Amino acid sequence: GAGVSQTPSNKVTEKGKYVELRCDPISGHTALYWYRQSLGQGPEFLIYFQGTGAADDSGLPNDRFFAVRPEGSVSTLKIQRTERGDSAVYLCASSAGARVEQYFGPGTRLTVT
Amino acid sequence: AQTVTQSQPEMSVQEAETVTLSCTYDTSESDYYLFWYKQPPSRQMILVIRQEAYKQQNATENRFSVNFQKAAKSFSLKISDSQLGDAAMYFCAFRPFQGAQKLVFGQGTRLTINP
Repeated sequence: GAGVSQTPSNKVTEKGKYVELRCDPISGHTALYWYRQSLGQGPEFLIYFQGTGAADDSGLPNDRFFAVRPEGSVSTLKIQRTERGDSAVYLCASSAGARVEQYFGPGTRLTVT
Repeated sequence: AQTVTQSQPEMSVQEAETVTLSCTYDTSESDYYLFWYKQPPSRQMILVIRQEAYKQQNATENRFSVNFQKAAKSFSLKISDSQLGDAAMYFCAFRPFQGAQKLVFGQGTRLTINP
């Protein structure tokens, strides 16, 4: 079946604006993860969902960042009052139940001007 | 907290030759997983190989193999018969066996293949 998809592929926004980034996991995958990858760095964990609930949100940097997964499938990462430091590639991954392997999407490149 | 260190920001190898990418990690856990991911310019992270810490045998996937040294907390990736399509960023990652599901990544190594 289809892999993890993320939209948009690229997003340019002005400082202070609100943005939403969408992730469609692999069908049937109950676990969903968000990571942020700054230029020249490895991905850093943001939040993990098991079903509809956030099982671990310890990586969210501050209260401007919020994520939801209301029906246990699609997830949206929401960033309020964007700052230039939020510019990065936001990666989504999913995994099937107790399976260890995480499958990644192509990411959304967010640029805050 | 776990940390993963990749000390080689860039590596290059001649096509058809063998190259080894280094990774060390720090953890107090006794059971965990280690991974190597490949990230081409398309940005999509692709799982290359995985190792369970309780397994003594090193994992192998076709041209890719690892040298896992648990006592030294070292996990290197060997790519044999390098191909042009192997050019990418390579990331080493750690995940505990129990508890936190998140992956902890190293800083990455950029691999260039010279024709």
